[in-house]
Amino acid sequence: RKEVEQDPGPFNVPEGATVAFNCTYSNSASQSFFWYRQDCRKEPKLLMSVYSSGNEDGRFTAQLNRASQYISLLIRDSKLSDSATYLCAVTLQTGANNLFFGTGTRLTVIP
Amino acid sequence: DAGVIQSPRHEVTEMGQEVTLRCKPISGHNSLFWYRQTMMRGLELLIYFNNNVPIDDSGMPEDRFSAKMPNASFSTLKIQPSEPRDSAVYFCASSFQRNQPQHFGDGTRLSIL
Repeated sequence: RKEVEQDPGPFNVPEGATVAFNCTYSNSASQSFFWYRQDCRKEPKLLMSVYSSGNEDGRFTAQLNRASQYISLLIRDSKLSDSATYLCAVTLQTGANNLFFGTGTRLTVIP
Repeated sequence: DAGVIQSPRHEVTEMGQEVTLRCKPISGHNSLFWYRQTMMRGLELLIYFNNNVPIDDSGMPEDRFSAKMPNASFSTLKIQPSEPRDSAVYFCASSFQRNQPQHFGDGTRLSIL
């Protein structure tokens, strides 16, 4: 079983829609969680960290559910520019700074 | 501020040749990571360094791959001899300290013919 798993999608949603992605992790001792965004033929870029209490950044909301071992990303009022691949990343060991990435979820926002 | 700088951006070479990828981390970052990304396997960690010391190289696929970090501002990933299955995008990333987000370079698109 992979340490981090994501639904690869693709998710095709109309502009203005709300879309949510989940990412599950296998190690209950995982400490740090992040969402990255990757555009086609570009590098991954940090979108947001995920905090235990959940956090919001504009139209984006990240949640952590330790009991069920998943993190989620919610995008409200989706824009065409949100079209990208969204990667979750998890640090598996306390104090370690190597992230394990999911394979990414492809989102396409349609006009 | 300059981000992570990788070179070359593209590399096309014949199998059997030596390939050297280069990375300059963000100044002040003490952790450096090499990743490989393919459609089939996604983003895979190959090796990471902390304060120029290799900490975990368990992701390095085989002995043909080697990585060095002679100082805080430079790292190389070498493949010798290269094979077609090594074709991928290779990313270098750096972070300030443990558990901090990583910042990626633009990547090197490697094609082995």
